[in-house]
Amino acid sequence: EAQVTQNPRYLITVTGKKLTVTCSQNMNHEYMSWYRQDPGLGLRQIYYSMNVEVTDKGDVPEGYKVSRKEKRNFPLILESPSPNQTSLYFCASSSDHPGYNEQFFGPGTRLTVL
Amino acid sequence: KQEVTQIPAALSVPEGENLVLNCSFTDSAIYNLQWFRQDPGKGLTSLLLIQSSQREQTSGRLNASLDKSSGRSTLYIAASQPGDSATYLCAVYVYNTDKLIFGTGTRLQVFP
Repeated sequence: EAQVTQNPRYLITVTGKKLTVTCSQNMNHEYMSWYRQDPGLGLRQIYYSMNVEVTDKGDVPEGYKVSRKEKRNFPLILESPSPNQTSLYFCASSSDHPGYNEQFFGPGTRLTVL
Repeated sequence: KQEVTQIPAALSVPEGENLVLNCSFTDSAIYNLQWFRQDPGKGLTSLLLIQSSQREQTSGRLNASLDKSSGRSTLYIAASQPGDSATYLCAVYVYNTDKLIFGTGTRLQVFP
């Protein structure tokens, strides 16, 4: 089944404790992206990647890191999480340039930072 | 800066009604517009993708139109059902920015 998977689905952590949220797609997609969703603010893009070893900042990249060492994986790293990073996070992918192709989303990761 | 607005923010209708959800955007320089559905606690499911050169797309009971010059899109849902209850999001892919900009969504409830 073609899908985007994220792990963990739920995470409660404390300020300053490094964490990684994994994202993997099995569709051989070139483009991958991370979003966060907050009430009243909608979905905002954190980082995106057009291909392996190519990443770029979205609208809200502060406090996050990403890497794209393999085509299928695009982990999101929070080196020192803070309470304002409490949010619902989504990973997405598309086969090519997302200007021409629909995006497929993972199920989401709900992160709480205490 | 591209801004995407969805009106209304919430809508409650009886089963069987035809309804229209609205999406407006401020900058017409877009590659495409995409409509998504989001169920509580779940991810987004793509419903329809309209390229900038297209006027509309249809899938089953759903029809989405795009008027790029006026910065508007509508999602028409025919003969609504309780299973259509969800939040509907529109998003535009902005030309030359590699960014997908989302609206804040319309929360739809269809009651029996």
